[in-house]
Amino acid sequence: AQSVTQPDIHITVSEGASLELRCNYSYGATPYLFWYVQSPGQGLQLLLKYFSGDTLVQGIKGFEAEFKRSQSSFNLRKPSVHWSDAAEYFCAVGAVGNKLVFGAGTILRVKS
Amino acid sequence: GAGVSQSPSNKVTEKGKDVELRCDPISGHTALYWYRQSLGQGLEFLIYFQGNSAPDKSGLPSDRFSAERTGGSVSTLTIQRTQQEDSAVYLCASSPQTGDTQYFGPGTRLTVL
Repeated sequence: AQSVTQPDIHITVSEGASLELRCNYSYGATPYLFWYVQSPGQGLQLLLKYFSGDTLVQGIKGFEAEFKRSQSSFNLRKPSVHWSDAAEYFCAVGAVGNKLVFGAGTILRVKS
Repeated sequence: GAGVSQSPSNKVTEKGKDVELRCDPISGHTALYWYRQSLGQGLEFLIYFQGNSAPDKSGLPSDRFSAERTGGSVSTLTIQRTQQEDSAVYLCASSPQTGDTQYFGPGTRLTVL
């Protein structure tokens, strides 16, 4: 069965520091991979996606992610975090029918 | 353009009552999904509609849950005889077709007292 692991429940970084959120997946074929962000009381907003091709994908708000098949990983990165990036981040894998399987989420706190 | 909309944004109900949650997908999107987000279970898939095909109901937690999609557009998720464990945020998403990016609505927060 498909699964997604986000090993960090909470991460705190200083404003201006770099960020990496980890995501590992289990999937039997070439996966569709996504990162979504959720601010309190809001729905999910797509940050970026990987379907095929270049393994380094760029997203909105200065985020990027790298697909590493050998490590079954799709980590999210940002070189310089802004206070407005504080939110919960979800990694997801597209399963059969493209229903998404989500990780448990990582809550990002940004300290000034 | 308009995104996915859901109504109501909040619903408080008493245990044992039935509730209906509505989703209006992005115009032209043929695929529609329902998910549930709860503290204990995270984000879980519930049901998926694609065009006129039979829906994938594999994520529905019990037979108290049902959903329909009328005219290939609006969808209604119905929970009968609500229980306290049904309290969650119910999220709807749509995509142009299967395999495309899913765009999420703001959700309906359901509280069962």
